[in-house]
Amino acid sequence: ETGVTQSPTHLIKTRGQQVTLRCSSQSGHNTVSWYQQALGQGPQFIFQYYREEENGRGNFPPRFSGLQFPNYSSELNVNALELDDSALYLCASSPRRVGFQETQYFGPGTRLLVL
Amino acid sequence: DAKTTQPNSMESNEEEPVHLPCNHSTISGTDYIHWYRQLPSQGPEYVIHGLTSNVNNRMASLAIAEDRKSSTLILHRATLRDAAVYYCILYPFSGNTPLVFGKGTRLSVIA
Repeated sequence: ETGVTQSPTHLIKTRGQQVTLRCSSQSGHNTVSWYQQALGQGPQFIFQYYREEENGRGNFPPRFSGLQFPNYSSELNVNALELDDSALYLCASSPRRVGFQETQYFGPGTRLLVL
Repeated sequence: DAKTTQPNSMESNEEEPVHLPCNHSTISGTDYIHWYRQLPSQGPEYVIHGLTSNVNNRMASLAIAEDRKSSTLILHRATLRDAAVYYCILYPFSGNTPLVFGKGTRLSVIA
């Protein structure tokens, strides 16, 4: 069983650009959540997808958007990048809807630097 | 906002037990207590969870106070590989909510 993978591992963008981050969940996991982790802080929830539909969103603006695909992969898109978007972006998958005592399996993250 | 309080940092000697405390005085009756840890340059990983009774698994033990207002994660013999940030998280059974992380406790292990 392969774990959760994310790509790229590191990324540098400039303010105003757009970025797409990718995540491949564990096979059979129909729920994926995305988190943003600023330096020295715990991860903050961005949104969750369940069976390809958004199923909950944290306190993030609409320029943060996502997609989940039938093959257990997903994307996080961020438009109009701002300096404060510099962070580690984590995806986490779980086999069922979050709301049960399911373990979330995290990927290693993508570190985004916005200049 | 995180509903748990943890010390910012702790230090332990290698091969000694480590007790990581967590206060959660506003815990509700249906909240489970989850622990995750984040090793350097990695995403968080699940450690253990419990509701009322103490729990053991291959990684750690979880001791839950009788009033459930606090809990302690116990690493029985700390190794250098256990150096990480440990997060204590309340997770409602009724759920469909994300994990709410605080700042966690940074554990250093000294050889």
